Amino acid sequence: NAGVTQTPKFQVLKTGQSMTLQCAQDMNHEYMSWYRQDPGMGLRLIHYSVGAGITDQGEVPNGYNVSRSTTEDFPLRLLSAAPSQTSVYFCASSYQGRVQYFGPGTRLLVL
Amino acid sequence: GDSVTQMEGPVTLSEEAFLTINCTYTATGYPSLFWYVQYPGEGLQLLLKATKADDKGSNKGFEATYRKETTSFHLEKGSVQVSDSAVYFCALRSMEYGNKLVFGAGTILRVKS
Repeated sequence: NAGVTQTPKFQVLKTGQSMTLQCAQDMNHEYMSWYRQDPGMGLRLIHYSVGAGITDQGEVPNGYNVSRSTTEDFPLRLLSAAPSQTSVYFCASSYQGRVQYFGPGTRLLVL
Repeated sequence: GDSVTQMEGPVTLSEEAFLTINCTYTATGYPSLFWYVQYPGEGLQLLLKATKADDKGSNKGFEATYRKETTSFHLEKGSVQVSDSAVYFCALRSMEYGNKLVFGAGTILRVKS
């Protein structure tokens, strides 16, 4: 199993550009989520999904969209990037909300 | 809402020293508790967990005991190694947001040889 994979590993955007962060898992986990990691703040939940076709907002959803068309994939879209979205983004998955497995992260820099 | 507070770092120790990283939490009920570790340039890995009061989680020489009286889950290791240098996150599983994880701010551990 590859576990949770994320692409790209690093991205630089200009303010106003859009992009999609990819996340995939091969463990047949129904629960998937996106977190952002900022210095001194731990990880904060952006969006989550409890199954294909079901998504919901987390603590800090503004400026981000998600979709869940398959069990395996959970992409995160930035519609119009802002410098405040400079962060490290982690995707995670779990079975029945138990132990969450994290991907390696995507470092995003918005200029 | 639920929250986790852990000691600020960085914590700098010599090899073979004793490690304690304090973690306390505020939550409704008795949530499952976790310690995650993040090595440089990598994602988070589960280090250990405890699901009920008085449970002791352990892995790779690290231990933590779920203390409901003091709402704490302190991480300990008797003899640290240089390879233990990483960021350590305490977390709880909240009933909010579909069982999201609530993280502490993280504690940087640096071990010198």
